[in-house]
Amino acid sequence: RKEVEQDPGPFNVPEGATVAFNCTYSNSASQSFFWYRQDCRKEPKLLMSVYSSGNEDGRFTAQLNRASQYISLLIRDSKLSDSATYLCVVPSGTYKYIFGTGTRLKVLA
Amino acid sequence: SQTIHQWPATLVQPVGSPLSLECTVEGTSNPNLYWYRQAAGRGLQLLFYSVGIGQISSEVPQNLSASRPQDRQFILSSKKLLLSDSGFYLCAWTPGSPGIQYFGAGTRLSVL
Repeated sequence: RKEVEQDPGPFNVPEGATVAFNCTYSNSASQSFFWYRQDCRKEPKLLMSVYSSGNEDGRFTAQLNRASQYISLLIRDSKLSDSATYLCVVPSGTYKYIFGTGTRLKVLA
Repeated sequence: SQTIHQWPATLVQPVGSPLSLECTVEGTSNPNLYWYRQAAGRGLQLLFYSVGIGQISSEVPQNLSASRPQDRQFILSSKKLLLSDSGFYLCAWTPGSPGIQYFGAGTRLSVL
């Protein structure tokens, strides 16, 4: 099993739709998790941190399921500007971070 | 506030030429520093990280090296570039471990 696994997509959704991505991780000892957004040919930027059961920020909700070892990202009322690749990141040990390969989202007009 | 600078933004180099990419962080002290590479359409691959001056941990043995001559400066080097070194190189820092990583704008390297 990969340390961090994501469905590469693309997820093509119409504007206003709700879309959810999952990210599975293998290290059951992981305590913190991150979702980053990466636009084409740009650097990743932090979207949300998840330290306990979940986190919510406006239209974005991240949830953690420790029993099944996955985190999810829910985007409500999708905007065209949400089109990007969403990276799941799980710390590994004290200093390292494992990045998923990302899930591509395309929001269609 | 903290900022991270990475340059150059774009670089085209011939095979066999040397490489030096520089990354500096401002507004913080003793950051953990990271170099990643992202091949086209792929995920981020950790190359090196450093938790202090002169301390380098290598994740992927290859023809690249890293150095940290100052607290907030991280340099990625190569003596002879290969075609396979092409990619998007990203520098990142964290204020603690584990913590949020902040990325520089990246250097897009094309080796021809």
